[in-house]
Amino acid sequence: DAGITQSPRHKVTETGTPVTLRCHQTENHRYMYWYRQDPGHGLRLIHYSYGVKDTDKGEVSDGYSVSRSKTEDFLLTLESATSSQTSVYFCAISEYRKETQYFGPGTRLLVL
Amino acid sequence: GQQLNQSPQSMFIQEGEDVSMNCTSSSIFNTWLWYKQDPGEGPVLLIALYKAGELTSNGRLTAQFGITRKDSFLNISASIPSDVGIYFCAGRDQGGSEKLVFGKGTKLTVNP
Repeated sequence: DAGITQSPRHKVTETGTPVTLRCHQTENHRYMYWYRQDPGHGLRLIHYSYGVKDTDKGEVSDGYSVSRSKTEDFLLTLESATSSQTSVYFCAISEYRKETQYFGPGTRLLVL
Repeated sequence: GQQLNQSPQSMFIQEGEDVSMNCTSSSIFNTWLWYKQDPGEGPVLLIALYKAGELTSNGRLTAQFGITRKDSFLNISASIPSDVGIYFCAGRDQGGSEKLVFGKGTKLTVNP
């Protein structure tokens, strides 16, 4: 298994509160990704990073921000959580110029 | 955004039967990937395909990169109960993006 951990694994929060999810890798891969997974939509890309301090938006980036200050950590922040952001969030990693992505175990987020 | 058409959406089969599922795209892809996701877990990479016509096996699983480069197939032979899960296809188009496009998944149920 690729060395990817996500924390927390489960979180319940209230609408309007800030939430930060962490992805940590031990593989030294250059690329890191945040996805959300919802019934009927499959996996949708939120943001991704192609290096330290280098990030870009995915298809569902509104309401989310990311930061990557170290190769091994990629943080996803919901500045003011909404009920529509209730979802399962997955982090993934890939090597430079390699198409294969490896996924973390996921974070289940419930926004009340 | 760009999407893959994955079919069937679900399958109910008897243990020992063979299974076939496929993904199609409206554009040409350079890479096709197949993942399996167990309940409460992240997707796990099963097979990666990089060339048109390529046929690759991983145990009882066989996947093919379509000649047109717009489709891919996954076959599972002699299914067993642990094959239960959701199978996702993913691909990278020829535009060179680092981003993958995902199908919505095929949910497989195997009756003992």
